[in-house]
Amino acid sequence: ETGVTQSPTHLIKTRGQQVTLRCSSQSGHNTVSWYQQALGQGPQFIFQYYREEENGRGNFPPRFSGLQFPNYSSELNVNALELDDSALYLCASSSQTVFEQFFGPGTRLTVL
Amino acid sequence: RKEVEQDPGPFNVPEGATVAFNCTYSNSASQSFFWYRQDCRKEPKLLMSVYSSGNEDGRFTAQLNRASQYISLLIRDSKLSDSATYLCVVNGKIGNQFYFGTGTSLTVIP
Repeated sequence: ETGVTQSPTHLIKTRGQQVTLRCSSQSGHNTVSWYQQALGQGPQFIFQYYREEENGRGNFPPRFSGLQFPNYSSELNVNALELDDSALYLCASSSQTVFEQFFGPGTRLTVL
Repeated sequence: RKEVEQDPGPFNVPEGATVAFNCTYSNSASQSFFWYRQDCRKEPKLLMSVYSSGNEDGRFTAQLNRASQYISLLIRDSKLSDSATYLCVVNGKIGNQFYFGTGTSLTVIP
């Protein structure tokens, strides 16, 4: 096990709603990255948080936002949910000196 | 052009076979390269990092060719338990932002 935890494991929402996903990083890691993985695709980088600030962002609209807390845990918020947001959302923790990323089990989001 | 491109397969091989996956990347400034393994409906798990000199871990060998911008993974003596999707990963323009390939599906057949 990586020590990275995510909650909830599954979530069902309807179009237009908002969702918050949570991630706790591995002990000793100060960086959290979020990814979206659609069925049959590789994970797509959403953004990364380091020292409570966004440290890089992929090609996702502003309705995808995040936070990092002083204990390095993180949240991903998605507003105005669309059907295409249905996916597995993965968080990964790492440090700024060791580039390997370790993933949590993911949150499977279904938007109806 | 995608940052990372992989042949999605699927690869169906008998137990004991040797199988190789290749992956190309577009950003010549990339510094870190990895192979991850992902089982069905699970999270990706780090299989191995890929170093410039090539590296081996048991039955797995990873190689990097910077001139041609590709990385490879060789699996020898395939086991049933090797059945999974193998994801090629390259770091991006910003620090340790990762770009993933679409993954290559491997099924090892008894």
